[in-house]
Amino acid sequence: QKEVEQDPGPLSVPEGAIVSLNCTYSNSAFQYFMWYRQYSRKGPELLMYTYSSGNKEDGRFTAQVDKSSKYISLFIRDSQPSDSATYLCAMRSGGSNYKLTFGKGTLLTVNP
Amino acid sequence: SAVISQKPSRDICQRGTSLTIQCQVDSQVTMMFWYRQQPGQSLTLIATANQGSEATYESGFVIDKFPISRPNLTFSTLTVSNLSPEDSSIYLCSVPPWDSGIMDTEAFFGQGTRLTVV
Repeated sequence: QKEVEQDPGPLSVPEGAIVSLNCTYSNSAFQYFMWYRQYSRKGPELLMYTYSSGNKEDGRFTAQVDKSSKYISLFIRDSQPSDSATYLCAMRSGGSNYKLTFGKGTLLTVNP
Repeated sequence: SAVISQKPSRDICQRGTSLTIQCQVDSQVTMMFWYRQQPGQSLTLIATANQGSEATYESGFVIDKFPISRPNLTFSTLTVSNLSPEDSSIYLCSVPPWDSGIMDTEAFFGQGTRLTVV
């Protein structure tokens, strides 16, 4: 079993839709959770991060963590064509351990 | 955020040759990380480069194949040696932001180097 599982998609939605992206993980040592957005031929760009169970909101984006279920989600409201990208979940155990473990990424296309 | 510049952005190399990738950061950082992103796969950490000491390699990666230099606190190179088509991938450098005094956030990445081995 991989440490982090992420449905690679691809996911195609109409503009304005609510998008739900998910990752599950098996390592209970993971305490820090991130979502990166990667446009084609670009490096990953940090989108959101959260360190505790619950929801964290930033504009149209909401990151959700459920440590008891080892499940994290990213919700995108009112999706826009500019949201079309690959979304990568990442996590680390924290402390002095800076190594990130990534999911495979989900390719999202928002159609105008 | 830290500005990370990677060179080259892409290259096509012959098998058996080597490619050296440069990573320049606009602030001093203790740690720099090198990742590989193979097609359809997760980003995978290759090694951690610390200034003044040998790089620390992850399981499955060896110094002979991926030698790393870290001559100062703003610069690192990754060489991919004896290239084969399986090395075709995107290579990314990354820095933890807190190391340069930027708190309350997470790692930044360069734009990546897209390597194709023919």
